[in-house]
Amino acid sequence: GQNIDQPTEMTATEGAIVQINCTYQTSGFNGLFWYQQHAGEAPTFLSYNVLDGLEEKGRFSSFLSRSKGYSYLLLKELQMKDSASYLCAVVDSNYQLIWGAGTKLIIKP
Amino acid sequence: GAVVSQHPSRVICKSGTSVKIECRSLDFQATTMFWYRQFPKQSLMLMATSNEGSKATYEQGVEKDKFLINHASLTLSTLTVTSAHPEDSSFYICSARGIAGGDTGELFFGEGSRLTVL
Repeated sequence: GQNIDQPTEMTATEGAIVQINCTYQTSGFNGLFWYQQHAGEAPTFLSYNVLDGLEEKGRFSSFLSRSKGYSYLLLKELQMKDSASYLCAVVDSNYQLIWGAGTKLIIKP
Repeated sequence: GAVVSQHPSRVICKSGTSVKIECRSLDFQATTMFWYRQFPKQSLMLMATSNEGSKATYEQGVEKDKFLINHASLTLSTLTVTSAHPEDSSFYICSARGIAGGDTGELFFGEGSRLTVL
């Protein structure tokens, strides 16, 4: 079956760095997305990786290793507004998105 | 970036009534639209996939006669919750994939609609 795993919840301190991991087992692979979702709102796009390596975009970076079925989202210089759920989603061979359950990130002052 | 508009953002209705939620892609043609529901503290649950001009494909466990989906044009899909009950209260979110997203599968999300059934 298809499976996406990510931690349920993480806590970090304002100004620090946090890494949210995502491992996947899917039928085919056509890319991996990270979305941010604040409570009561729709998800917003953060990043898309289809090749191995690190993609940096401001305070957020995303890494992919296709051979290991692994990705992480790295958030630097954490701000209180970064408190949200972070969803990992993989595009399978049918171009459908398989969603992880999301990681709730709690930022403490 | 591409914009998807969802309406209404909040709706309260009485049990037994029907509610229609619209999802529009404002600046691109959405060949495929997805409808999700999300319960508090849970991830997105895909309800159905609709392709313009054809019948929606429902996920297992989703009642197609209760959740009517129409994707009559490349810019509009509607979800109608028929004979709503309190257990249908949830956050419904649509997303669209189209020319703007290419073949990467990137989805553009609507703002979501919070349905409360009394």
